[in-house]
Formats: sequence, C-alpha cells, structure tokens
Amino acid sequence: AQSVAQPEDQVNVAEGNPLTVKCTYSVSGNPYLFWYVQYPNRGLQFLLKYITGDNLVKGSYGFEAEFNKSQTSFHLKKPSALVSDSALYFCAVRDPGGSYIPTFGRGTSLIVHP
Amino acid sequence: DTGVSQDPRHKITKRGQNVTFRCDPISEHNRLYWYRQTLGQGPEFLTYFQNEAQLEKSRLLSDRFSAERPKGSFSTLEIQRTEQGDSAMYLCASSLGQMGADTQYFGPGTRLTVL
Repeated sequence: AQSVAQPEDQVNVAEGNPLTVKCTYSVSGNPYLFWYVQYPNRGLQFLLKYITGDNLVKGSYGFEAEFNKSQTSFHLKKPSALVSDSALYFCAVRDPGGSYIPTFGRGTSLIVHP
Repeated sequence: DTGVSQDPRHKITKRGQNVTFRCDPISEHNRLYWYRQTLGQGPEFLTYFQNEAQLEKSRLLSDRFSAERPKGSFSTLEIQRTEQGDSAMYLCASSLGQMGADTQYFGPGTRLTVL
C-alpha cells in the first residue's frame, strides 16, 4: 500500500524568506513523487516530480524538492517566498509496482505574509 | 495546448436529481482520471480510463456513479439520485502514459452543490 503525509495543515512565512512544505511517504519500493499547487477554485497545477536520478528536483516557479530515501521524505522548498506563492500544496506518491493511481496528501496551506 | 477542460464549472442541483459532467483531456493524452475533492482534503481517486477502457474504479464509487469515455477522447461522469454527501469538487486529469512515470494534468474542476 502507498501513503503520503503532510504533517502541517498550514505554513506561514514572510515574503523573501525561505519556505519549506513537508511531505513524507510510504511505499514498498522506490517511489514516484509529485508536488502540485492549487489556487482557490482552481484545479491542481503540476510543480515537479521525482522519478529517479538526482535527489534534488527543480520545478516551476522557482520551487525545488529534495528526495531523501532514508527519511522517506520529499520536502518542497523555495529560497525566497513571494506573496503570490500563497496557495494549497499537495504532495502525491505512486508505487511503480502498483496501479497507475497516485495517492495525494491532505494538502498544506502556505501563507506568505508581505 | 489548450489544457484539460471541464464543463460545467459549477452545478447546483436538488437531492435526487441526476447530473452529468464532461471532461475534455489534452488531445494526445491516452489516460484520463476522475477525482473528488472535499474541503480540507486532497483529491480522492474515483476512476481511470486508458483510451476507452475503464481500467480501475475506487471502492468510493457507488453504483450511483458511472463514467464513460466512448471514443477514447472526452469523458462523462454521471451521478444518479444525488445526495447531499455528493457535494464536492469533481476533478478530471489526463496524462500521456510513459512507462508509468507520467504526469497528470488537471482541469479546473466542476463544483457540485446538492441542496
């Protein structure tokens, strides 16, 4: 079985400061990992994914995520937050040996204060 | 690239009525997914098509729900005899199958309110 946890319902950060949104996962083998962002009343937008290779993945809008196999984590990071980054962020995991359907976390609300 | 589109964007209906939603995926994508999202939750998988074949259905999908993708292009999701608990955002996503590492691209969703 595959599962993902986003331990923080909300993250607050000041504009210009670095941000981290946490994600941990559980799969039986090596995971496929994804981050999506959702703005109010919109669908999810793809940010980045980890399949294999370099543990640091760079994505859209200056976001990056680091795959850490020993800690089973895939935290989303950005060096300098913008007010416009305020949104809901979802982590998802898929077990390559399982179905094609990813499991999504409950989401983390990121609030960037001016 | 016009992205994934969904119609309608909003639907208000009375309990007991039937509703149908449409999803148009990105044109070259062979896989299509339906999800349901409620407030404070991530998307919950409902069903999945590869071309016109419905390959997987969630146990969440009661027999009041049915989905089709008749020609492997657009898809419809029908809910019969709606209940208040069906109120949610219904999301469609599509992907181009590439050895299982494909990325899903989501539409804007259809928000259903059952009165």
